[in-house]
Amino acid sequence: QVQLVHSGAEVKKPGASVKVSCKASGYSFINYHMHWVRQAPGQGLEWMGMINPRDGNTNYAQKFRGRVTMTRDTSTGTVYMELNSLTSEDTAVYFCAREKPAALNFDYWGQGTLVTVSS
Amino acid sequence: EIVLTQSPGTLSLSPGERATLSCRASQSVSSSNLAWYQQTPGLAPRLLIYAASSRATGIPDRFSGSGSGTDFILTISRLEPEDSAVYYCQQYGSSQYTFGQGTKVEIK
Repeated sequence: QVQLVHSGAEVKKPGASVKVSCKASGYSFINYHMHWVRQAPGQGLEWMGMINPRDGNTNYAQKFRGRVTMTRDTSTGTVYMELNSLTSEDTAVYFCAREKPAALNFDYWGQGTLVTVSS
Repeated sequence: EIVLTQSPGTLSLSPGERATLSCRASQSVSSSNLAWYQQTPGLAPRLLIYAASSRATGIPDRFSGSGSGTDFILTISRLEPEDSAVYYCQQYGSSQYTFGQGTKVEIK
């Protein structure tokens, strides 16, 4: 069955960077795009961007361009999201979510990684 | 960027009642690009409806979606206690994805 398993919770200081991983299994990794969506405490969902695991091409939300980098490792079926210059407003749960190419929606989600930014 | 506005913010209904949730876009959205998700506390969102009106795998038929252009509706025909959740609409346009702010459904 499809599984997306996140790395563990992180606590970071303002100005630092965080790198979160999401390991996929149960399907052909390179045939599905992977997106990152975050959710601040008590707030809604915010799309951050996506990566095509087949070729590594990315598309970032305008808000995060210049501050986020998404990469993948096809040998392990893992995608990564690195966010720089963290502030308290980046405190959130970060989800990876799978998209069948051109489906334009997210059919499987990981359990999320809580990132806390605090001095 | 296309902004999605959901209403109402909270809906409080009894089991067996019908829930109607609205999602309005700031500009026209292709029906094939509109989806709905359900999120219960502490869990990841779950895809309910895609392409505005198609149910995702395993979703009960009491959930239905409709609409076109700038106005989309999610209907839950007969509420059950497990439908207590926050519901989000989501769209794709101009290489960007956006979500509505969510509607909370409470079961009395």
